[in-house]
Amino acid sequence: RKEVEQDPGPFNVPEGATVAFNCTYSNSASQSFFWYRQDCRKEPKLLMSVYSSGNEDGRFTAQLNRASQYISLLIRDSKLSDSATYLCVSDGGSQGNLIFGKGTKLSVKP
Amino acid sequence: EAGVTQSPTHLIKTRGQQATLRCSPISGHTSVYWYQQALGLGLQFLLWYDEGEERNRGNFPPRFSGRQFPNYSSELNVNALELEDSALYLCASTQWGTDEQYFGPGTRLTVT
Repeated sequence: RKEVEQDPGPFNVPEGATVAFNCTYSNSASQSFFWYRQDCRKEPKLLMSVYSSGNEDGRFTAQLNRASQYISLLIRDSKLSDSATYLCVSDGGSQGNLIFGKGTKLSVKP
Repeated sequence: EAGVTQSPTHLIKTRGQQATLRCSPISGHTSVYWYQQALGLGLQFLLWYDEGEERNRGNFPPRFSGRQFPNYSSELNVNALELEDSALYLCASTQWGTDEQYFGPGTRLTVT
């Protein structure tokens, strides 16, 4: 079983739409969670850390559900520039070894 | 503040050769991580260095090795290159005590 699983998409949405991604993790000992975005043939860029209480950064909201072992990312008022692959990441229960999901591709259309 | 830097940007080698990839972390970051991103496979963890020591290793053969220097920069060496080693190799760094990793632009290794 993959440690971090995501729907690969693609999610094709119009500008201004709200879109949500979920991901599940298998290791209940995982403590740290993140969302990264990766543009084609570029390095992943940290979007936000995910805290137990949930956190918001502008149009982006991340939630963690430990009981169900899933993490979500909500993007409101989608922009063309949000088009990218979004990577869900957990620490896999141990330090120094982030486990990356394969990513969910988002395409925002005009 | 300068980000993580990696060199070279591209590297072309033939099967059986050795490749050396370099990484400089963000100033003040002491940990360096190496990942392989092959097409369609997502990021795979290779190695973690902290304070000059190898702290953790992913599921890769021993021909993948590296080191960290006193200035915290790092080198990844891949010996006896195979065609399937062709990938984007990414380096990331963190500050002591945090898990937030910041990535460099990567080295694209092509093995022919």
